Amino acid sequence: GAGVSQSPSNKVTEKGKDVELRCDPISGHTALYWYRQSLGQGLEFLIYFQGNSAPDKSGLPSDRFSAERTGGSVSTLTIQRTQQEDSAVYLCASSVGDRATDTQYFGPGTRLTVL
Amino acid sequence: GNSVTQMEGPVTLSEEAFLTINCTYTATGYPSLFWYVQYPGEGLQLLLKATKADDKGSNKGFEATYRKETTSFHLEKGSVQVSDSAVYFCALSYTGGFKTIFGAGTRLFVKA
Repeated sequence: GAGVSQSPSNKVTEKGKDVELRCDPISGHTALYWYRQSLGQGLEFLIYFQGNSAPDKSGLPSDRFSAERTGGSVSTLTIQRTQQEDSAVYLCASSVGDRATDTQYFGPGTRLTVL
Repeated sequence: GNSVTQMEGPVTLSEEAFLTINCTYTATGYPSLFWYVQYPGEGLQLLLKATKADDKGSNKGFEATYRKETTSFHLEKGSVQVSDSAVYFCALSYTGGFKTIFGAGTRLFVKA
């Protein structure tokens, strides 16, 4: 079956531009996560969606970052007025539910480079 | 707050050597613990997990035991292979979708 997919795989943008990153979770998975992986760093949690509940936005680093999830499926992470420090790999993951035992399945990531 | 601390890498071993990657955590309650692996050019994938104290997770020859008394979840393998070269992440999470906390990752190089 299809795994988590993300697009684009690579994005190069100029400082100050807005970017949108897309995530298609595994069908039927109710939980969706966004993470950021900077060069040489671990994974930084950004935002979490579970079903129709309000998202947990506690990891978003600034108000330039936002995300939405339409119809409980596809999610879009938007970064406004990009800065060079936003350069990183953005990972999306989904899981069947929100139990601690539920495995997260990761997409291949979007590599964002801000010039 | 909750946190995960891993030994710093890179770790370089010869093939067939014994591997230990240390992981300790700080958490309230009873989180589940995970090891994820990221092979070169690939996405993160679950390697193994343990959901309660004294549980042992195992997969592909790797093992880790959930030790509540020492708040540790060390990853071990008796005989590493070149194909085990990757970055390994220790993580914890709670039911209810609280954010998963990942360690910084440990890069492993295995030489033939």
